[in-house]
Amino acid sequence: QVQLQESGPGLLKPSQTLSLTCSVSGGSIRSGSYYWSWIRQPAGKGLEWIGRIYNTGNTNYHPSLKSRVTISLDTSKNQVSLNLSSVTAADTAVYYCAREDYYASGSYNYWGQGTLVTVSS
Amino acid sequence: DIQMTQSPSSLSASVGDRVTITCRASQSISDLNWYQQKPGKAPKLLIYAASSLQSGLPSRFSGSGSGTDFTLTISSLQPEDFATYYCQETYGTPYTFGQGTKLEIK
Repeated sequence: QVQLQESGPGLLKPSQTLSLTCSVSGGSIRSGSYYWSWIRQPAGKGLEWIGRIYNTGNTNYHPSLKSRVTISLDTSKNQVSLNLSSVTAADTAVYYCAREDYYASGSYNYWGQGTLVTVSS
Repeated sequence: DIQMTQSPSSLSASVGDRVTITCRASQSISDLNWYQQKPGKAPKLLIYAASSLQSGLPSRFSGSGSGTDFTLTISSLQPEDFATYYCQETYGTPYTFGQGTKLEIK
């Protein structure tokens, strides 16, 4: 059974860089057919797609975040990372990592439990 | 970006009711997924490719539609179905989600 778990600082100051790690167990991030994605959800609001990475290192990012976001893989640790620079209060949200199944309509069948990141001075 | 509009935004219903939630895309799309989210939890995949029921889920959940109009139907509401539901298009990145439909107990 695939499991994902996000980790990282829960509190940041404006202008700092958000760095989160998604540890994957029960499957290799080097497997084909899957993208590894980050999605966020501000409190009481809907889901926002941040971006994704394939096992080749190929990435896609949301245009509104593209200048600030980097998603990377650490295959030795079976981890996926998210970096978001120059954060503001608008970046306060629960951040999820999720596995996108390319052959199931790009759906997300596996999610982490989510980690709350608060940006406040 | 493709815009996804769900309706209604909220819905009150009773156990045993049949409920339909609609998702409309701003342009024709090929793929549409549905999720259920309960407070404090990650979303859970219900339906993928518009009408394919995720393995292990009860058959009271069904999806249909094509082009720009899609629906999620719950044939007979159970107490555990009261949650927020989201649609998601995967026509091309950036993927977008609907704003959500909160299903509450009447």
